[in-house]
Amino acid sequence: QQKVQQSPESLTVSEGAMASLNCTFSDGTSNNFRWYRQHSAKGLEVLVSIFSDGEKEEGRFTAHLNRANLHVSLHIREPQPSDSAVYLCAYSNNRIFFGDGTQLVVKP
Amino acid sequence: AQTIHQWPVAEIKAVGSPLSLGCTIKGKSSPNLYWYWQATGGTLQQLFYSITVGQVESVVQLNLSASRPKDDQFILSTEKLLLSHSGFYLCAWSLDWSSYEQYFGPGTRLTVL
Repeated sequence: QQKVQQSPESLTVSEGAMASLNCTFSDGTSNNFRWYRQHSAKGLEVLVSIFSDGEKEEGRFTAHLNRANLHVSLHIREPQPSDSAVYLCAYSNNRIFFGDGTQLVVKP
Repeated sequence: AQTIHQWPVAEIKAVGSPLSLGCTIKGKSSPNLYWYWQATGGTLQQLFYSITVGQVESVVQLNLSASRPKDDQFILSTEKLLLSHSGFYLCAWSLDWSSYEQYFGPGTRLTVL
């Protein structure tokens, strides 16, 4: 059973347009959620960590958590071509569970 | 500052050959250490974790083994590679077993032919 579902699988946006990524999870007891970015088979870069319902902003990255709906989203403001990467959602409850990722392409 | 180093950066191996991947963490004593694997286009999965030297717990069975011979070193190995072992291997460390604040290494790309 897939514990973390990400959507869309891939997303193409124009430079400067808002990019929105979604993640639904199966465990409503966790309070540790994180968005990572992975550039072309490299290590993971932490973007935003969020531990309570509501919004958390880190620079151009904003996460929204709604545990009642088992949903966390990531919004990227003014995306640039260098933001093109795979974005991974994850939550933790003694182990970390990752989604399959969303491939984001930002066109100039 | 803590640094995490993985080696090799990439490896191409034949089916049935042995494998050893390494990970070292500098600047942090007694870290919790983790191995992750990601098949091409697949989900990142936790394989092993270690809280202390000489102790390793398996999370997912993939015909791989792990060892922690030193406080700052974590080794992933197998005596016989399978095609299904291809993928991207990430090492990570954390301060404690809450396991959430994990810091990842640059990874090793493994291709089994």
